[in-house]
Amino acid sequence: EVQLVESGGDLVQPGGSLRLSCAASGFTFSSHRMHWVRQVPGKGLVWVSRINGDGSITDYADSVKGRFTISRDNAKNTVYLQMNGLRVEDTAVYYCVRDSATFDYWGQGTLVTVSS
Amino acid sequence: DVVMSQSPLSLPVTLGQPASISCRSSQSLVHSDGKTYLNWFQQRPGQSPRRLIYQVSNRDSGVPDRFSGSGSGTDFTLKISRVEAEDVAIYYCMQSTHWPPYTFGQGTKLEIK
Repeated sequence: EVQLVESGGDLVQPGGSLRLSCAASGFTFSSHRMHWVRQVPGKGLVWVSRINGDGSITDYADSVKGRFTISRDNAKNTVYLQMNGLRVEDTAVYYCVRDSATFDYWGQGTLVTVSS
Repeated sequence: DVVMSQSPLSLPVTLGQPASISCRSSQSLVHSDGKTYLNWFQQRPGQSPRRLIYQVSNRDSGVPDRFSGSGSGTDFTLKISRVEAEDVAIYYCMQSTHWPPYTFGQGTKLEIK
């Protein structure tokens, strides 16, 4: 059974940093692109970042480019999102998503709150 | 960026009646490989999104056959043949043809009338 379990969400002050983790199981992790998608509570879904299977190719939404870094450790079956320079508008639930013919499995999400 | 526009944004439906959600893209979603990467997701209250349909009309495993997807080019539709109580959710279309970024529609909230 495919499982994606996010962790690392917390309350952080503007300008602060946070690292999200997503532990994957139930499939061959290194064979899949992985994404982070976020959702402000009560609002819609917004794609944040993507990483390919071996970690050599990454992409970012313009809103996070230069502040967020996606990475993965295939030995640990884990994908990360390092978030620096956090802003109030980064407050959201962050979902880890597997990409197999596009976004087929989603984690339960982890809440990041940026507030002073 | 490709803009995805859904309508209606709110959809009250009587149990047992059909429902239809439209999704339009700002440019054709036909990829250079000939496939069309238009997907539909369901997000029930308090839950993570779940993919229902991929590549316009392919239903995911476990998705009831009352859900169907259709369309081409820039115009797509998600239909529910007979709405059940468990279908109360927000439905999102999403394109994965032209990326980055991957883009979602605003969401359509289906409720029981």
